Amino acid sequence: GDSVTQMEGPVTLSEEAFLTINCTYTATGYPSLFWYVQYPGEGLQLLLKATKADDKGSNKGFEATYRKETTSFHLEKGSVQVSDSAVYFCALSDRSGGSNYKLTFGKGTLLTVNP
Amino acid sequence: SQTIHQWPATLVQPVGSPLSLECTVEGTSNPNLYWYRQAAGRGLQLLFYSVGIGQISSEVPQNLSASRPQDRQFILSSKKLLLSDSGFYLCAWSVTRSVGEKLFFGSGTQLSVL
Repeated sequence: GDSVTQMEGPVTLSEEAFLTINCTYTATGYPSLFWYVQYPGEGLQLLLKATKADDKGSNKGFEATYRKETTSFHLEKGSVQVSDSAVYFCALSDRSGGSNYKLTFGKGTLLTVNP
Repeated sequence: SQTIHQWPATLVQPVGSPLSLECTVEGTSNPNLYWYRQAAGRGLQLLFYSVGIGQISSEVPQNLSASRPQDRQFILSSKKLLLSDSGFYLCAWSVTRSVGEKLFFGSGTQLSVL
């Protein structure tokens, strides 16, 4: 079945540091890939997505590139801020077999950015 | 614009008591609806999803059930809660059969079973 493996946290960085959160996936078809973010006390919200190989999703200074050859979708940001402190979830939606109704999530990575 | 409402925000229930969590969506019709649970240290787990009124698919066998009595209403229930039901429950919706599925989440319900 489909699965998402993401970097175990927690990750603690200083403000303006470079961020990478690794994510790899296993899917039977041609998935779309997502990063969701959950700020403290809130539900999840979509951060960025990519729907095919070599696509780059970007939003709020975050980027992730869909790498089919390495089955990866690593999240990066060049300079993090305190307000980026949150839990980040990698997810995939696999369109094969008519299963495009649902997302498979990774376990989440807690990021704490200190001033 | 579309909005999703989920309540209550927090809930403390004794073991063996019933549960009812409600979720409603506004501003869209015929959405796909989902219940996810986020347990400590275990990530986000899909519990149920629904593609239409009365159509419920269960992803994980458990003592929870879901119902969709109206197009934009999704209810998560249990007749008798277990300690292991504690967690953060999230309702979500998506556009029916969209390519590149994007979910919109509610603010969640923190359930503590004691």
